[in-house]
Amino acid sequence: AQSVTQLGSHVSVSEGALVLLRCNYSSSVPPYLFWYVQYPNQGLQLLLKYTSAATLVKGINGFEAEFKKSETSFHLTKPSAHMSDAAEYFCAVSDSISGGSYIPTFGRGTSLIVHP
Amino acid sequence: EAGVAQSPRYKIIEKRQSVAFWCNPISGHATLYWYQQILGQGPKLLIQFQNNGVVDDSQLPKDRFSAERLKGVDSTLKIQPAKLEDSAVYLCASSLTGELFFGEGSRLTVL
Repeated sequence: AQSVTQLGSHVSVSEGALVLLRCNYSSSVPPYLFWYVQYPNQGLQLLLKYTSAATLVKGINGFEAEFKKSETSFHLTKPSAHMSDAAEYFCAVSDSISGGSYIPTFGRGTSLIVHP
Repeated sequence: EAGVAQSPRYKIIEKRQSVAFWCNPISGHATLYWYQQILGQGPKLLIQFQNNGVVDDSQLPKDRFSAERLKGVDSTLKIQPAKLEDSAVYLCASSLTGELFFGEGSRLTVL
């Protein structure tokens, strides 16, 4: 069984400050890990994914995440927040591939609020 | 490249009525997914198709939900009869290999 825990349903930062969104996972096999972003009234968009290559993964819009097996974590960071980063962020885990595609299980999401 | 198309974007119905959602995946994507996203929660997989065959429907409430993907392209998700707890955004996603691409979703409100 696989599951994801996102710590904090809301994270508030000032523009220009460090963004840190926490994600811990549970998986019985080496996992595939993802971060998705959802802007209001839009679908989910992939930010980045870990698929057992480099443990530090760089994504779009300046975001990156580090896979730490010992901590079962995959926290998302960005050095400097921008107003346009305000959105809902979802961490997801997949422990299998079906038909060549991942089947992600999503966390509950973290709402990022950016203050001017 | 056109993205995943879904309709309608919004639907309001009364409980015990029926509703259908339509999804057109990205051209050439063999795999199609329907997810349910309840307010304040992450998306939950309802059903996965590979071409026109069902791969996983273990979390689909089959007493009221049904889905089909005729000819391995478009897909329809139906709810009959709807309950209050079905109020959610229904997301369709498709993939060729690896990454899932999501549509904008269909927001259902059941009164």
